[in-house]
Amino acid sequence: DAGVIQSPRHEVTEMGQEVTLRCKPISGHNSLFWYRQTMMRGLELLIYFNNNVPIDDSGMPEDRFSAKMPNASFSTLKIQPSEPRDSAVYFCASSLQGDSPLHFGNGTRLTVT
Amino acid sequence: GNSVTQMEGPVTLSEEAFLTINCTYTATGYPSLFWYVQYPGEGLQLLLKATKADDKGSNKGFEATYRKETTSFHLEKGSVQVSDSAVYFCALTKAAGNKLTFGGGTRVLVKP
Repeated sequence: DAGVIQSPRHEVTEMGQEVTLRCKPISGHNSLFWYRQTMMRGLELLIYFNNNVPIDDSGMPEDRFSAKMPNASFSTLKIQPSEPRDSAVYFCASSLQGDSPLHFGNGTRLTVT
Repeated sequence: GNSVTQMEGPVTLSEEAFLTINCTYTATGYPSLFWYVQYPGEGLQLLLKATKADDKGSNKGFEATYRKETTSFHLEKGSVQVSDSAVYFCALTKAAGNKLTFGGGTRVLVKP
């Protein structure tokens, strides 16, 4: 299996621009998670989905952030408009519901200037 | 709420030294406990897990025992290698398929 695939690996954008991060979970997994990692705050859960339905989005920092999962094989995290403080590494992870570990992608490093 | 506390790094060791990373947790009931490892430029990978009290998880020479009485899940390795240099995260989950709560991570640097 190819594992969790995230794109792009790196994104550099200017403040105010829209940013879209993409994730393809492992085939057959039915839970999907978006995390953000920074030096200051460590790993923060932004949102997670079970069977394509958002279950908990309490970690989404502001209305500028939105996430969708239109089908079992694709999810997006969108930031509009982006701000310099959004600079971080964003990870997507998937798992099988049940006693199953998370499988992480390699992340998208976002830099907002 | 649930929380995980682990020792702050960085931890710097010489090759073949003994490694311990302390992890304690706060949660009601009986969470499942995990150690994840993150190598530079990569996502987190599951290292080991334990799902009930007194269980010992082990993998790649690393071990951790689920201690309910001390709410701890300390990670140990008897003889580290340079390739063990990474950031290690302790985590818990309360329900199957539920979100993980992570500790802050401990950076380990092993020097030859």
